[in-house]
Amino acid sequence: SYELTQPPSVSVSPGQTASITCSGDTLGDKYACWYQQKPGQSPVLVIYQDIKRPSGIPERFSGSNSGNTATLTISGTQAMDEADYYCQAWDSSSVVFGGGTKLTVL
Amino acid sequence: QVQLQESGPGLVKPSQTLSLICTVSGGSISSDSYYWSWIRQPAGKGLEWIGRIYTSGSTNYNPSLKSRVTISVDTSKNQFSLKLSSVTAADTAVYYCASTTMVRGVITKSFDYWGQGTLVNVSS
Repeated sequence: SYELTQPPSVSVSPGQTASITCSGDTLGDKYACWYQQKPGQSPVLVIYQDIKRPSGIPERFSGSNSGNTATLTISGTQAMDEADYYCQAWDSSSVVFGGGTKLTVL
Repeated sequence: QVQLQESGPGLVKPSQTLSLICTVSGGSISSDSYYWSWIRQPAGKGLEWIGRIYTSGSTNYNPSLKSRVTISVDTSKNQFSLKLSSVTAADTAVYYCASTTMVRGVITKSFDYWGQGTLVNVSS
């Protein structure tokens, strides 16, 4: 079965750039998307179709996807960005999530 | 904008069937612009896709759960439902319903809208 691998945790200082990776076999051939989840809340879509931002998502969130790796980049990270982040892809007729990355802003 | 709301028992006994309903507002469940999915998350763990249904009634399920899962649609009530049979403690989780949108005939392949989630405990 298809798998997506994320680092368990990433730390970043306020105002700096955070990068969260998601690895999977030929992931670049699929659409990747990213969700932000804060404690006790439902996930929120922040990037879809590799690079697109839904309405209402700040411009500091961006995405890329090539080869075996998709990357979520948060520029000028703010304290409010501290959350769990999940990547997700569709593999044939199934859907796969990465294990999640806890982003700490300190 | 589509809104989703899960409902169902918060406690299910082992070996029984878990049944949840997702009520959709702000969009028609019969529309060919949406896929409707169930996703779950055990406490402190990651997200797991359970399965989805399209307006045509066609379904896709997570291979690891396929033998126990049924997703169906009730167009008269604008709802879709999840049934998970033979549950064990490992099925204890927050269950979310979510939608995927078709934009200009192309599926976004992401979950655009989510319900607030409902906690289901499997315990005797």
